[in-house]
Amino acid sequence: GAVVSQHPSWVICKSGTSVKIECRSLDFQATTMFWYRQFPKQSLMLMATSNEGSKATYEQGVEKDKFLINHASLTLSTLTVTSAHPEDSSFYICSATPGDRDSYEQYFGPGTRLTVT
Amino acid sequence: GQNIDQPTEMTATEGAIVQINCTYQTSGFNGLFWYQQHAGEAPTFLSYNVLDGLEEKGRFSSFLSRSKGYSYLLLKELQMKDSASYLCAVMDSNYQLIWGAGTKLIIKP
Repeated sequence: GAVVSQHPSWVICKSGTSVKIECRSLDFQATTMFWYRQFPKQSLMLMATSNEGSKATYEQGVEKDKFLINHASLTLSTLTVTSAHPEDSSFYICSATPGDRDSYEQYFGPGTRLTVT
Repeated sequence: GQNIDQPTEMTATEGAIVQINCTYQTSGFNGLFWYQQHAGEAPTFLSYNVLDGLEEKGRFSSFLSRSKGYSYLLLKELQMKDSASYLCAVMDSNYQLIWGAGTKLIIKP
């Protein structure tokens, strides 16, 4: 149980275009989903926290107009990288937690490798 | 500020035991997690400690001392597949995970 999927697993796009990444909790309802970015040989960097039905909370330094997050249902959150640039190339990982406070574990998706040319 | 410290890199021999330490200073505490991350892959959950003491799970054990702001992950009978980064993360009073930079563990034959 507790499986989180991400789609696509990798994507190459041209500079200036937008890319949407989907994160789905397959066998549980995720009240909260997290979006991380990870550059090579660095640790995870939390970008934003999204709760179903409300606006995402972005970490300091993350542009909310560039990284659009939509958590439309208890099983789906999307991250759209708008007007992508080569410096946005990174490994994007989502995670999800069940709604109840008895389970604090974050279940991670497999990640999406974005390359902007 | 909030801070998680763990060694950047460690090397150990196949079949041996290794201990990866993690110290933390956070706003509140709702548990400490250890995750394993192989290169190019997402993290996978290893352990969760919220009370002091040792939690054993097969070859992996995790220890917590809340008064000292300290945890360690103990890996026994090391296998080559254990070569990975090990991430320590603390859940603060807002239930946000504060991540350490990770410890890259290199296993040598």
